[in-house]
Amino acid sequence: QLQLQESGPGLVKPSETLSLTCAVSGGSISSSSYYWGWIRQPPGKGLDWIGSIYYSGSTYYNPSLKSRVTISVDTSKNQFSLKLSSVTAADTAVYYCARLSGSGSGYYYYYYYMDVWGKGTTVTVSS
Amino acid sequence: QSALTQPRSVSGSPGQSVTISCTGTSSDVGGYNYVSWYQQHPGKAPKLMIYDVSKRPSGVPDRFSGSKSGNTASLTISGLQAEDEADYYCCSYAGSYTHVVFGGGTKVTVL
Repeated sequence: QLQLQESGPGLVKPSETLSLTCAVSGGSISSSSYYWGWIRQPPGKGLDWIGSIYYSGSTYYNPSLKSRVTISVDTSKNQFSLKLSSVTAADTAVYYCARLSGSGSGYYYYYYYMDVWGKGTTVTVSS
Repeated sequence: QSALTQPRSVSGSPGQSVTISCTGTSSDVGGYNYVSWYQQHPGKAPKLMIYDVSKRPSGVPDRFSGSKSGNTASLTISGLQAEDEADYYCCSYAGSYTHVVFGGGTKVTVL
C-alpha cells in the first residue's frame, strides 16, 4: 500500500526558505504512471495547488508561486522535495504531498487528480 | 479568491440528497472533462471521491456522484449520512500553464 510522509521544519523565519521532503513507501516514485505534487492549506482556508513533478524532473508550478517554488525529485531515495523561498506569514499552512494520477490518451494525457495523500505537516512562518 | 466557485455551505437531513456546485470557466471546468472532488474531515488529509467528472475510486460509496454541465460541475450526495459531514473541494485541470485549480470548499452539515 502506497504511503507518503512529509517531513521538515515546523517553524521557518520570514524571508527564509521553507524546505520539505515527501518520502514515498510501498511503491516506486519512478513509475511512469504518476506525477508527484504539493498542496497547501492555510489555517481555516481551502486547498492551494503548489506544483508537481515527474520522475524525470519535468515540473508544473502554480503561476502565482512559480517565482519562489522549486520542486525536485530524488529517485535513489524514492522521495521528492519542495523549496519555497522568501516566505512570509501568508505561507503558514499545512503542507500536503500527494500522488497525481491522470486521464486522457497519447499527447492529451493530463495528470491532475490526487489519489494518494500524505497526512500533512504544519509549517509556521514566524520570527 | 479561489479559481473555482463553490457555495460556502450546504445542509441536509439524514437520508436526503444534497448537491454542491463548482463553477469555473471555459479554461478549466468547461474546457475539459477532468474534474475531481475531495472530502476532508477536520484535521485529516483530503480524500479523493470523484475523478474524471463522474468516476468513483474503489471504496467510495455509490451515494456519491458527479456531473458537469457547461462551466459548472456538481457533486451529489444521496442518502446523506452523519459521516458525510465534512468539507468538500472541487478541482479541475486548467491547461498546461495553470495546470490545476481548486474550489474554495463547501461545508456539508448533516442536520
